[in-house]
Amino acid sequence: KNEVEQSPQNLTAQEGEFITINCSYSVGISALHWLQQHPGGGIVSLFMLSSGKKKHGRLIATINIQEKHSSLHITASHPRDSAVYICAAYGGATNKLIFGTGTLLAVQP
Amino acid sequence: DSGVTQTPKHLITATGQRVTLRCSPRSGDLSVYWYQQSLDQGLQFLIQYYNGEERAKGNILERFSAQQFPDLHSELNLSSLELGDSALYFCASSVGGVSGEAFFGQGTRLTVV
Repeated sequence: KNEVEQSPQNLTAQEGEFITINCSYSVGISALHWLQQHPGGGIVSLFMLSSGKKKHGRLIATINIQEKHSSLHITASHPRDSAVYICAAYGGATNKLIFGTGTLLAVQP
Repeated sequence: DSGVTQTPKHLITATGQRVTLRCSPRSGDLSVYWYQQSLDQGLQFLIQYYNGEERAKGNILERFSAQQFPDLHSELNLSSLELGDSALYFCASSVGGVSGEAFFGQGTRLTVV
């Protein structure tokens, strides 16, 4: 079992839909990152959070430390949101990022 | 633009060869991280340097080595290359440790033939 698991692995949505991507982890963490990787390969850091909720534009990330679970929400999805979304857990003791396997999102017009 | 620069963008080389990948972190960032992304393994952490010192080591093969120079740029050296080393290699930088926000370079796509 991976230490960081994401669901779903693949997601197809229609433009305008509300999207949720989930991330569960089994390790103790001090921070969790959400990353976006576009088809060209480049990675962009979306959020880094250790508690509660953060919002940036149409993106919202939440984390529940007790339940070891985080969610990434996209409101009013758009085809340009099509990408792979990756969560990564930072385990303070190891000073490493442990990556989930990613969620491939396709938003159709 | 994340401010992290990786060169080269693409590299094709033969098995058994040695290559060097270069990463220039964002101005002011002291930490550099190297990651490997292959089709079957996903993103894997290789190694972290902080202000010239190795800070953490992940799944880095003995054939691979890295260093961070006084000007804070970093190099990842891959030797005795095998077909399975073909992957995207990313570096990221942050001010301190990975508990803070990390900024990724565009990656170097290595193809070993």
